[in-house]
Amino acid sequence: GAGVSQSPRYKVAKRGQDVALRCDPISGHVSLFWYQQALGQGPEFLTYFQNEAQLDKSGLPSDRFFAERPEGSVSTLKIQRTQQEDSAVYLCASSLGRGRGRGGYTFGSGTRLTVV
Amino acid sequence: KQEVTQIPAALSVPEGENLVLNCSFTDSAIYNLQWFRQDPGKGLTSLLLIQSSQREQTSGRLNASLDKSSGRSTLYIAASQPGDSATYLCAVRNYGGATNKLIFGTGTLLAVQP
Repeated sequence: GAGVSQSPRYKVAKRGQDVALRCDPISGHVSLFWYQQALGQGPEFLTYFQNEAQLDKSGLPSDRFFAERPEGSVSTLKIQRTQQEDSAVYLCASSLGRGRGRGGYTFGSGTRLTVV
Repeated sequence: KQEVTQIPAALSVPEGENLVLNCSFTDSAIYNLQWFRQDPGKGLTSLLLIQSSQREQTSGRLNASLDKSSGRSTLYIAASQPGDSATYLCAVRNYGGATNKLIFGTGTLLAVQP
């Protein structure tokens, strides 16, 4: 597609509920990232995929967070047993290059998750 | 550990003024630095990307400079317009490691008054 598409745009979850957030990167982009942006803060790294391989998940805050990209294109970020502190905007970004490339990123519009 | 700081946190200026946003980072071993714009409820739009070997980049009324040795970057906006109102974020990509992750500052919220 022309850009990075994320769905849903908004999600309200009851505490304890599981949620799944979807990211469709730009076609052909090798690298895919998930970031979490709390209110009034800059985005913080969660996890990174190169094609289908999850090369870095050091930013995932707990084992309740799980991400996958099984076919190297669409990615899903799953949060189990949501807590109020999970409320944030979840941003997905993709990049054409792999490894330590020089290119920039294209971000999606994000999913705003509110846990009540 | 790389830390990115942006000052001021918020800025309000009258239309037509030139302004400067500041970004500093603690580890000078970076690949590149990128400035983004974020509108309320929206994702990030890339404005300028400066490679570590470059000193500045320009796009229209925007000019970004990079002084890697001192760990600083500035975003200069000329002749500001109300449509420039948004949050401006800078982010660095570190040299080394297997991940090209960006490390962001907390942003500068800009309001341009008509």
